[in-house]
Amino acid sequence: EVQLVQSGAEVKKPGESVKISCKASGYSFISNWIAWVRQMPGQGLEWMGVIYPGDSDTRYSPSFQGQVTISADKSTGTAYLEWNSLKASDTAMYYCARGTTGDFWGQGTLVTVSS
Amino acid sequence: VVVTQSPLSLPVTLGQPASISCRSSQSLVHNDGDTYLHWFQQRPGQSPRRLIYKVSNRDSGVPDRFSGSGSGTDFTLKISRVEAEDVGVYYCMQGTHWPPITFGQGTRLEIK
Repeated sequence: EVQLVQSGAEVKKPGESVKISCKASGYSFISNWIAWVRQMPGQGLEWMGVIYPGDSDTRYSPSFQGQVTISADKSTGTAYLEWNSLKASDTAMYYCARGTTGDFWGQGTLVTVSS
Repeated sequence: VVVTQSPLSLPVTLGQPASISCRSSQSLVHNDGDTYLHWFQQRPGQSPRRLIYKVSNRDSGVPDRFSGSGSGTDFTLKISRVEAEDVGVYYCMQGTHWPPITFGQGTRLEIK
């Protein structure tokens, strides 16, 4: 059974850093892209970027390039989304999804940034 | 590629059909011949779930009252008879021209 299990909610202050995770199981992690998708409160879905764990090929949406870092650890089957300096506008639910077609999704990680 | 959905709000009576349109700013036919236009459902408080992939292929477990059609730049998701569990927001997504992959704005389906 394919599963994507994300890390728990985070509450941070502006300027802080955070790294959230997405642990995959039930399929070949290194042979499938994993994407990150943002959903701001009450808003739609925004594709942030994607990584191919097999060779760490990473592609970003221009809207998110330079704002976040996507990475993956083949040894643990886990993908990551990281910020170095959070802003209040980063407050959102973040989902990981398998592949470029989104056939399976994680449960979401809520990141709240507030002073 | 800009993907535009309509309507953005869709009140439907139980048992009646519903239809959502998705239009792209350029053809979604890939060089490999496939068309990477997919549909997702997001029920309140839940993660998105893929319903339809590559225009018209229903995912496993998706009721057959859901169907997808279209080609090129114009696509449609149809629900033959709306049920209470269909309430939520529906998104189309194009994965032909990426990065970035792009979503439509979402269509909120509610029961009248």
